[in-house]
This record gives sequence, C-alpha cells and structure tokens, in this order.
Amino acid sequence: SQQGEEDPQALSIQEGENATMNCSYKTSINNLQWYRQNSGRGLVHLILIRSNEREKHSGRLRVTLDTSKKSSSLLITASRAADTASYFCATEERDSGYALNFGKGTSLLVTP
Amino acid sequence: DAGVIQSTRHEVTEMGQEVTLRCKPISGHDYLFWYRQTMMRGLELLIYFNNNVPIDDSGMPEDRFSAKMPNASFSTLKIQPSEPRDSAVYFCASSLGRGELFFGEGSRLTVL
Repeated sequence: SQQGEEDPQALSIQEGENATMNCSYKTSINNLQWYRQNSGRGLVHLILIRSNEREKHSGRLRVTLDTSKKSSSLLITASRAADTASYFCATEERDSGYALNFGKGTSLLVTP
Repeated sequence: DAGVIQSTRHEVTEMGQEVTLRCKPISGHDYLFWYRQTMMRGLELLIYFNNNVPIDDSGMPEDRFSAKMPNASFSTLKIQPSEPRDSAVYFCASSLGRGELFFGEGSRLTVL
C-alpha cells in the first residue's frame, strides 16, 4: 500500500536554483527515506531520517521531518542538470513489519 | 562490488505465457524485496523475504503471481499465466537489516 505522497508531481528549474520537494504520509513511522531514479534505471538511496530526527544533511541535500504534520521535505541546493531525475519518499510504518511504502514521486527537470 | 542483479532487462511475451524474473541480491544482505512500478500505481511492494523466508506477500496481486527464494543468493518472481495488465517494470531490491534498499536496474515486462 502506498503511504507517501510527493508534491509537486513535476518541477522545472534552472541550474543553480534550489529545488524543494515535499512528502506527506498518513501513519506513524520509524523512518523516512528519499530515493532518486534516473530514467530507465533503478532507484538509488539518498538519505534516511529517523522519526526522532528533525533535520539531516548530505552534501547538497537537506531533509526535514515534521512528525506532528506527518510531512518531510527534500531540498537540493545549487541544482545541476545532472540532478534531473524522479525523487521518491519512502516510509517504514511503525508496527507493520519492515516494508518501505513509496510515493509516486516528483519529476525534477533542471535546465542548463 | 556487484549490486543487485536482475538478469532480464526487457521481456516481451504473449498473454497466457509463463514469465519468470530472476534476481541475485547483494551478498550478505538478509532482506529481499520485489516491487512493481507502473505510471498509474507507482511503486508497489509485492513481497519481501527475510533470511530467505517470505514475510509479507500481501502485495501479490493474485494467485497468478508467486515468488521463491531457495537460497540467500537467488530469488524468482513468476507470473503464470501472464496478462496484459501485468505489463510493468519489476524491481528487485535487497538490504542489510532495516535501512537503505539497494535496487536492481529493473525488468521491463510487456505482455501482448
């Protein structure tokens, strides 16, 4: 069953700009993860944030988690054309075994 | 190190035929997942294994789908008989414990 829902569905920006994607979910979670998928390829893990964490950084990526609002955001700073991809959030629901439920993703286009 | 290997990248078959997709997880990983990706439904978890034992197969759409993991280095997903609505990209992923998933490149199935 899907839990995460990304917003917006599609985002188009220019190189150098920041890109922000949001994810909302419905139930209590153990952690939330963000993945990236290039066209025709498998998903690649970007970052994991646990339910007791509020913010996490990895290079140009910044993830926030607000468990009271059941939402997360992924910020990519100083975007590059190579960041063009689809981005998915995935949640591990509490008390439901270990299975990641993915949203439908945000399609990001970064133009030079 | 080799990643998750899905030996079939593209398969085209006719309705009613049997389809078997194969996956070799990353050596040492104890979880294996099968996901299906379509434009309409996004990424759906079909089944996952822990230490070769199926843990949750509630995502398997119907009895036509079956999955096995005879040993730690091999898993199959079988569809018999196949139908056009089974057309999708099927991903295998593995993980060490509960955390980051490593995805294969996917098997694109087209059922005519």
